Amino acid sequence: AQTVTQSQPEMSVQEAETVTLSCTYDTSESDYYLFWYKQPPSRQMILVIRQEAYKQQNATENRFSVNFQKAAKSFSLKISDSQLGDAAMYFCAYRRVNAGNNRKLIWGLGTSLAVNP
Amino acid sequence: DTGVSQDPRHKITKRGQNVTFRCDPISEHNRLYWYRQTLGQGPEFLTYFQNEAQLEKSRLLSDRFSAERPKGSFSTLEIQRTEQGDSAMYLCASSLPRGGTDTQYFGPGTRLTVL
Repeated sequence: AQTVTQSQPEMSVQEAETVTLSCTYDTSESDYYLFWYKQPPSRQMILVIRQEAYKQQNATENRFSVNFQKAAKSFSLKISDSQLGDAAMYFCAYRRVNAGNNRKLIWGLGTSLAVNP
Repeated sequence: DTGVSQDPRHKITKRGQNVTFRCDPISEHNRLYWYRQTLGQGPEFLTYFQNEAQLEKSRLLSDRFSAERPKGSFSTLEIQRTEQGDSAMYLCASSLPRGGTDTQYFGPGTRLTVL
């Protein structure tokens, strides 16, 4: 069974600085998708960035980028120029590609990110 | 393009009562998912619909839980004879397979408190 591990329950960063959140996963599949979602306090889950495993190029979305290391099964999220609005719980998630009826996302436990002014 | 909506946003009920939640997906999204999230945890998958067909159910979904999506649009999740352990945030997501990724977009959730 696939698993997702986020080893950092809490992180903090100074405003305008860079922070990296870690995620590792375990799978025997060769093709899959990986996601980072953000959940601000009392607000809904928002997609931050996604990565297709078959793509070697790391995904980027403005200030957010990933470091995808397929062999190491690692998928870290880098937030550059951190802003107060980045404070949230960040979840790493995995989904199979050739899923058939198995479309569920498998989630880590999350990392709570605080941004200090 | 409105997002996923859920109703109610909060529900407080007494143990043993039945509750029903509604989810309206993003228009034209044919896939709809229910997840449950307890405090300090990541979401856990409950069930998934493609159009009106319920294609997957988690073993977490006991007989007290039932979900429907009768016309392939909105969905309802009913919990019968609620227990205190059912207290959680219930999240709905929808997706439309396009270009392969089939990204799930989430609603604001319904927070259930069972007293």
